[in-house]
Amino acid sequence: DAKTTQPNSMESNEEEPVHLPCNHSTISGTDYIHWYRQLPSQGPEYVIHGLTSNVNNRMASLAIAEDRKSSTLILHRATLRDAAVYYCILRDPTSGTYKYIFGTGTRLKVLA
Amino acid sequence: NAGVTQTPKFRVLKTGQSMTLLCAQDMNHEYMYWYRQDPGMGLRLIHYSVGEGTTAKGEVPDGYNVSRLKKQNFLLGLESAAPSQTSVYFCASSYVTGGAVDEQFFGPGTRLTVL
Repeated sequence: DAKTTQPNSMESNEEEPVHLPCNHSTISGTDYIHWYRQLPSQGPEYVIHGLTSNVNNRMASLAIAEDRKSSTLILHRATLRDAAVYYCILRDPTSGTYKYIFGTGTRLKVLA
Repeated sequence: NAGVTQTPKFRVLKTGQSMTLLCAQDMNHEYMYWYRQDPGMGLRLIHYSVGEGTTAKGEVPDGYNVSRLKKQNFLLGLESAAPSQTSVYFCASSYVTGGAVDEQFFGPGTRLTVL
């Protein structure tokens, strides 16, 4: 399975944009990039996913490098409720497996 | 919809005791999963199921058994609990689209302590 590398922790001020990086230099052509986040004392929740093009949804944006070896999750205006651990995960839907490799993620701290 | 629910929320066991964790989902999802999360760590897949009556091993299956007798339920059993199984257990389910997005929906977790 291709692996991802994320910083252990990041800080942001409230109402400012946050850019959470993820490196995945061994990504294959069929791997999708998924982001999940885990709020304190809760199970993870889906944030966004993408393959090659940048993606936007109501929660965040996903910017994918042209060579796909890295991606960035963008929270446009961080709020205190965005404080969580963010996981970048690669998933190949053609592999016939159903495993998500979560890793340790990035713990985002939002300062009031 | 209740989504994914887990029973119980907390449990304390003594070494060697057995127990079953219940996961239920009301979204008619085909796939279901059991993960464990140790302090400061990410989630690790224990077992998963791609449909009623089928199960498969994940990353860390030793010491656990599972059953999927009904589509909406996925049970995780510990036959002889060990302190190394102290963890938070998360259940998840996902739908089948045939495409890339099999968004997983997670339950609130069960905090298990084995003394």
